[in-house]
Amino acid sequence: EAQVTQNPRYLITVTGKKLTVTCSQNMNHEYMSWYRQDPGLGLRQIYYSMNVEVTDKGDVPEGYKVSRKEKRNFPLILESPSPNQTSLYFCASSPQGNYGYTFGSGTRLTVV
Amino acid sequence: QKEVEQDPGPLSVPEGAIVSLNCTYSNSAFQYFMWYRQYSRKGPELLMYTYSSGNKEDGRFTAQVDKSSKYISLFIRDSQPSDSATYLCAMTFGGGYQKVTFGIGTKLQVIP
Repeated sequence: EAQVTQNPRYLITVTGKKLTVTCSQNMNHEYMSWYRQDPGLGLRQIYYSMNVEVTDKGDVPEGYKVSRKEKRNFPLILESPSPNQTSLYFCASSPQGNYGYTFGSGTRLTVV
Repeated sequence: QKEVEQDPGPLSVPEGAIVSLNCTYSNSAFQYFMWYRQYSRKGPELLMYTYSSGNKEDGRFTAQVDKSSKYISLFIRDSQPSDSATYLCAMTFGGGYQKVTFGIGTKLQVIP
């Protein structure tokens, strides 16, 4: 089945403890992207990648890192999480970003 | 002013009604326009995308883009209770620039 897989689905962590949210797609898509979704603010793009080793910032990149060493994987790294990064995170992939993305099921992160 | 404005609703309609969902935007450089549906606790699902102005139809769904007015619409004919979800508009500049801007989403409830 064609899909974007994120792990974990739920995560509670403490301030300052480094964490990684994994994302993998099995559709051989060139483009991948990370979003966060917050009530009243909607979906906001954190980072995107147009190919292996090619990444760029979205609207809210502060406090996040990404890497694209393989085409299928696009992990999101929070080096020192803070409570304001508590949110619902989505990874997405696309063969050609302007035609829309396939989204994962989401990761609900709580930073205490 | 937000780049993309979308009424968050909620919008309640009786089953069988025609639903009109809308977004306005401020940046005339947007070229590609997408509509996503998001059920509660799920990732967004791409419904349709259009390029530049015009209409596009897919089953009960019609997407309309009026670039002169910076206004896009999604029409749902013969609405069903299963259409109850949040509908998000999204847009990109096209080319290799992959920044995606979403509206906040409109919550729709179709009442049996």
